[in-house]
Amino acid sequence: QVQLEQSGAEVKKPGASVKVSCKASGYTFIDYYIHWVRQAPGQGLEWMGWINPRTGGSSYAQNFQGRVSMTRDTSISTAFMEMTRLTSDDTAVYYCARDLVAHTLETFDFWGLGTMVSVSS
Amino acid sequence: QSALTQPASVSGSPGQSITISCTGTSSDVGNYNLVSWYQQHPGKAPQLMLYEVTKRPSGLSDRFSGSKSGNTASLTISGLQAEDEGDYYCCSYAGSSWVFGGGTKLTVL
Repeated sequence: QVQLEQSGAEVKKPGASVKVSCKASGYTFIDYYIHWVRQAPGQGLEWMGWINPRTGGSSYAQNFQGRVSMTRDTSISTAFMEMTRLTSDDTAVYYCARDLVAHTLETFDFWGLGTMVSVSS
Repeated sequence: QSALTQPASVSGSPGQSITISCTGTSSDVGNYNLVSWYQQHPGKAPQLMLYEVTKRPSGLSDRFSGSKSGNTASLTISGLQAEDEGDYYCCSYAGSSWVFGGGTKLTVL
C-alpha cells in the first residue's frame, strides 16, 4: 500500500533553516509528483510547491520562492523540503502528498502524517 | 493568489443533506475542471474526497458528490452521518499553482 513516512518534529530558532523528509513506499517513486502543503495551527491548507522525482524539476508557490527548495534522492525513494530564513509565521505542520495520476500534475492523493515545525526564540 | 471562499461552518442532522460552496475566480475554479475536495479530522492528514469536480477516488462513498457552475464549485453530502463531521477544504488548479479554500467546519447535530 502507498505510504509516505515523514521525518519527526523540529524546533527551530528564527533565521534558521529546516529540512523535512518524506520517504515513499508501495509504489514506483519516480512515477508520481510529490507536493508539499503546510497548515499553520488552527488555520487552513497552503500549497507550497511540487517536485518531479523522475527529473528533479520543481515549482514553488510565489509566497515561497527564494526560500524553499524541494529535492529528492531516488536511491532511497525520498523527497525533501528545505526552508530557510524561518520566522514564527512558518510554525506549521508540513505535509508531503503524492499526486493522484502518474506522470501528471492533478491533485493530492496520498498524504504523509505531517511534520510539525515550530519556530520560536 | 487569493484563497478560495468557503463558508466558515455548516451543520446538519443525521440523514439530511448539506452543500458547501467554494467560490474562486476565472483564473482558477472558473477556468479549470481541476477542483478537488478534502476532508480533515482533528489532528489527521487531509483525505481526498472528490477530484476533477465530480470524481470520487476508489472506495469513497457515493454520498459525496460535486458540481461546478462558473466560478463556484460545490460539495454535497447526502445522508449525513456522524463520521462526516470535520473540516472540508476545496482546492483548485490555478495555472502552475494550486489554491485552497479557507475551510468549512461541518457539524453533525
